[in-house]
Amino acid sequence: DTGVSQNPRHKITKRGQNVTFRCDPISEHNRLYWYRQTLGQGPEFLTYFQNEAQLEKSRLLSDRFSAERPKGSFSTLEIQRTEQGDSAMYLCASSLSRDPQETQYFGPGTRLLVL
Amino acid sequence: RKEVEQDPGPFNVPEGATVAFNCTYSNSASQSFFWYRQDCRKEPKLLMSVYSSGNEDGRFTAQLNRASQYISLLIRDSKLSDSATYLCVVNRGGYSTLTFGKGTMLLVSP
Repeated sequence: DTGVSQNPRHKITKRGQNVTFRCDPISEHNRLYWYRQTLGQGPEFLTYFQNEAQLEKSRLLSDRFSAERPKGSFSTLEIQRTEQGDSAMYLCASSLSRDPQETQYFGPGTRLLVL
Repeated sequence: RKEVEQDPGPFNVPEGATVAFNCTYSNSASQSFFWYRQDCRKEPKLLMSVYSSGNEDGRFTAQLNRASQYISLLIRDSKLSDSATYLCVVNRGGYSTLTFGKGTMLLVSP
């Protein structure tokens, strides 16, 4: 399967703990995006990378959140000092900048539950 | 006003029915438009891009009206397998990032 992959698929943590999620994009895709989705809502943009450069961050991305894409391939999203409000599905997507429509393909997501 | 607004659901229709979803967007600089489909507890998957001239893919027809900032999706001869949430999606002006509507749930019954 050459689609976007995410690990872990599920994470349960206690409030105040740190968590890290990983995303592996489609291999030739140079753009990578993180979104968050809560129940009954559409995905909301968090941040995006072109190669290893983080080009945009949403206001939703508080200083407890950090994302990296050190070699322009996989990316990690870390949440420090988790809060119950962080419980959500975290989705990663990738795209190719030379695609005229820049279609984004999503991974299966990491479902986070903060107790 | 929300950036992307969709019909509130759910839509309950019998197999074989035709159903239409409507969507409006607020950013006139948006350049790319999509319909994504999301099954329960799964990731969104691209259903189709939406082009200015309108486009069709089998039983699915998408229309775009830039002047009214309105997008639609028509599903003909609906199947049980069409049951899902349909997300209206636009890019944000000159940016690559996407803005999603809340989605409209479709339930097709036998």
